[in-house]
Amino acid sequence: DAGVTQSPTHLIKTRGQQVTLRCSPKSGHDTVSWYQQALGQGPQFIFQYYEEEERQRGNFPDRFSGHQFPNYSSELNVNALLLGDSALYLCASSLGQGLPGELFFGEGSRLTVL
Amino acid sequence: GEDVEQSLFLSVREGDSSVINCTYTDSSSTYLYWYKQEPGAGLQLLTYIFSNMDMKQDQRLTVLLNKKDKHLSLRIADTQTGDSAIYFCAENTDKLIFGTGTRLQVFP
Repeated sequence: DAGVTQSPTHLIKTRGQQVTLRCSPKSGHDTVSWYQQALGQGPQFIFQYYEEEERQRGNFPDRFSGHQFPNYSSELNVNALLLGDSALYLCASSLGQGLPGELFFGEGSRLTVL
Repeated sequence: GEDVEQSLFLSVREGDSSVINCTYTDSSSTYLYWYKQEPGAGLQLLTYIFSNMDMKQDQRLTVLLNKKDKHLSLRIADTQTGDSAIYFCAENTDKLIFGTGTRLQVFP
């Protein structure tokens, strides 16, 4: 049973560029959440997708957008990258009707913006 | 507001108990959680407590909740070197809010 998988694991971009990060949820999970974890900080909630729609959103600008596909996989897109977007981006999956907060995390995509 | 605070570091000797503390602000949180993050890995849910409980024990882990003071703690008995990691508490309102994390270092 595959857990949450994310790609790519590492990537380097320059300011102003755009990036797309991908996530496949744990088998049987239908909800995907994205978190940004800056160095030395706890994860910050970006948004959550369920039934291909954004269900909740944290305090992130519109440069951050996402998508969920019919197979429950998800993408996170960040436009007009800033140096401050450098972070570990974590995807977490859960079952919509499961215990709130019982999230299964991937290992993350580490983004460096130069 | 939403804010979860933790001390940054804790260092303990192998075999001793570790106590990691957390304070949160949102009294409407229904569940409170402890997650563990090892180097190069994602977060792993360790345990959780429902807000109407004041204690939960799960093998070497004991969670204490003081709802009046909005204080949560995680006690790890007989701490092992494999317990070295960053520990995050999190509160659940309409989304999961994580603390800044406590780095636990276990030395022989």
